This record gives sequence, structure tokens and C-alpha cells, in this order.
Amino acid sequence: ILNVEQSPQSLHVQEGDSTNFTCSFPSSNFYALHWYRWETAKSPEALFVMTLNGDEKKKGRISATLNTKEGYSYLYIKGSQPEDSATYLCAFVGTGANNLFFGTGTRLTVIP
Amino acid sequence: AAGVIQSPRHLIKEKRETATLKCYPIPRHDTVYWYQQGPGQDPQFLISFYEKMQSDKGSIPDRFSAQQFSDYHSELNMSSLELGDSALYFCASSLNRGPYNEQFFGPGTRLTVL
Repeated sequence: ILNVEQSPQSLHVQEGDSTNFTCSFPSSNFYALHWYRWETAKSPEALFVMTLNGDEKKKGRISATLNTKEGYSYLYIKGSQPEDSATYLCAFVGTGANNLFFGTGTRLTVIP
Repeated sequence: AAGVIQSPRHLIKEKRETATLKCYPIPRHDTVYWYQQGPGQDPQFLISFYEKMQSDKGSIPDRFSAQQFSDYHSELNMSSLELGDSALYFCASSLNRGPYNEQFFGPGTRLTVL
């Protein structure tokens, strides 16, 4: 069983604050890391697919970095807005597999 | 844009009954994945199909079976339902299997076993 962990489990920030959270995964047999944004009552929405050590990806105010040697990825949100409130899931893909092993998620609440 | 369609959205069954969940992938997507999310848990991979053949198998109980049809839709058949099968079942689709391919998720089917 793979151990994909996210921290913190939940986070409350004020509107306008920047924030970040962590996804830890096995550094061996790494193939890819996916980040998803999941709003309540909606489907998970893909944010990034990261594959190479040192990858940095950005979409608007959200960005992510990847360190495959030490087995972690950071997700950053700059200037948080209430609409950023969601659960952010990372998912690990190991060598030879195509399916996602999900982390436990970070529940972000942005307070207006 | 067309999204992944799952039906039904909600299903209530008794113990020992059977259930069939359906997933219609995004048009031209040839790969379907099934995930189960129990209460308070992260989604767990069950099984996937690529071009109508089973691709990967995860923690799918023997009581469950699935297949992908010629039109690429997939069905998850669940028999001898147990209380612990109550969960949200997600289907996702992608264009080609592969770890780099973005998976697009459906809205899920919430199964309640009484």
C-alpha cells in the first residue's frame, strides 16, 4: 500500500493571504504526480500533472513544484479568494501503473 | 464541453442485493477508471479499462466486476452488497492510458447499502 500524505489536513486563511500545502509520496518508483481541486458536490478537477524533478507549473494564482528525489510537492495559492475554498488532492502514479493513488487531501477555507 | 456522465447519481440498496453503476466517458476517451471513496476516506482505485480491455486492477473486491463496452462506456457490477460498500463511486476517463494523462472525473454515484 502506497503512503501518499498531505499536510495540513485543513487550513483556514483570510482573503488575500497566500498559502501553501504539501504532498509527500514515495520517492522510489515515481512516475507522475497529479494535483486536483475538489469543490463540495462537484467532481475533482485536474490542476496539474507533474513528471520531472524540479518541475514548476502555474495556472493563474495557483502554482506547484515537484521534488521527486525527496518525495514531495508543494501547491501554492497566491492572494487566496473565497472561490479557492475546496479540497486539494494530490495523486501519485508509480512506475508501470496508470492509476492514481490519492493523498488524504487538504481542505482549504478562505474567509472573506 | 461534454463531461463524464455517471448514472445513477444516487442508489439505495439492501444488504445482499446487487447494483450496477454506469459510466459514460468523454467522447473519444478510450480509458476509464473506477474509484471508491468511503466516508471520511480518500478515493481508492478499483479498476481501469483501456480500449475495452482491463488495464489495471486495484482494491476491487471479488464480489465486484466491471467491463468496458464497444462504445467505451463502462459498468461496475456489485453483488452481495455489504454495509461497507456504502461509498461514493467515481468514474474518470482519459484519452489514452498513461501516468501523464489527465483524468477527468464524473460527478460520482453515491451508493447507500442498508
